Amino acid sequence: DGGITQSPKYLFRKEGQNVTLSCEQNLNHDAMYWYRQDPGQGLRLIYYSQIVNDFQKGDIAEGYSVSREKKESFPLTVTSAQKNPTAFYLCASRKDERWEQYFGPGTRLTVT
Amino acid sequence: GESVGLHLPTLSVQEGDNSIINCAYSNSASDYFIWYKQESGKGPQFIIDIRSNMDKRQGQRVTVLLNKTVKHLSLQIAATQPGDSAVYFCAEIEDNYGQNFVFGPGTRLSVLP
Repeated sequence: DGGITQSPKYLFRKEGQNVTLSCEQNLNHDAMYWYRQDPGQGLRLIYYSQIVNDFQKGDIAEGYSVSREKKESFPLTVTSAQKNPTAFYLCASRKDERWEQYFGPGTRLTVT
Repeated sequence: GESVGLHLPTLSVQEGDNSIINCAYSNSASDYFIWYKQESGKGPQFIIDIRSNMDKRQGQRVTVLLNKTVKHLSLQIAATQPGDSAVYFCAEIEDNYGQNFVFGPGTRLSVLP
């Protein structure tokens, strides 16, 4: 089956630790995105990547880092510099000639 | 579909009735709009899209209406079913490359038995 996978579904970390969230797609999509979702707010863009080895900051990139070494993979690292990391994180992908983004199931990160 | 902080607007409808969910968008230059459905604890699912050169588009049990004059988008769901209970939000795309999405906060639809 083609799709976007995110792992793990739930993640717990202690304050001060870096944590990496996985996002993989086998849809042969070109662009990939990371969003953060907080209660009562629209999705906010953290980072996006149009092609391998290239990525751009979104609206709330501070405290996050990404890499795009393979077309299929776009991992997100939440660093200790992120002041309020507890949130639901969504990865999405898009084919170049299409406009709609397709989302993964999300990872709920809790930092205590 | 306006944001009210931590609390999403809620729409409650009886099973079998029609639902209308609204969204106000911000950019008159937006060229493309999408409605997504998000069930609790899951990622958003694409429902239907519409381009700015259209006023209406119909899918299976869903219709999207676009009023560019007042920058308003609506999603109509016919014969609402329990499985339709979810948060619905709109997205507007502000450029031709589809990389700059702006998402609304969403509306929670509850279907009453």
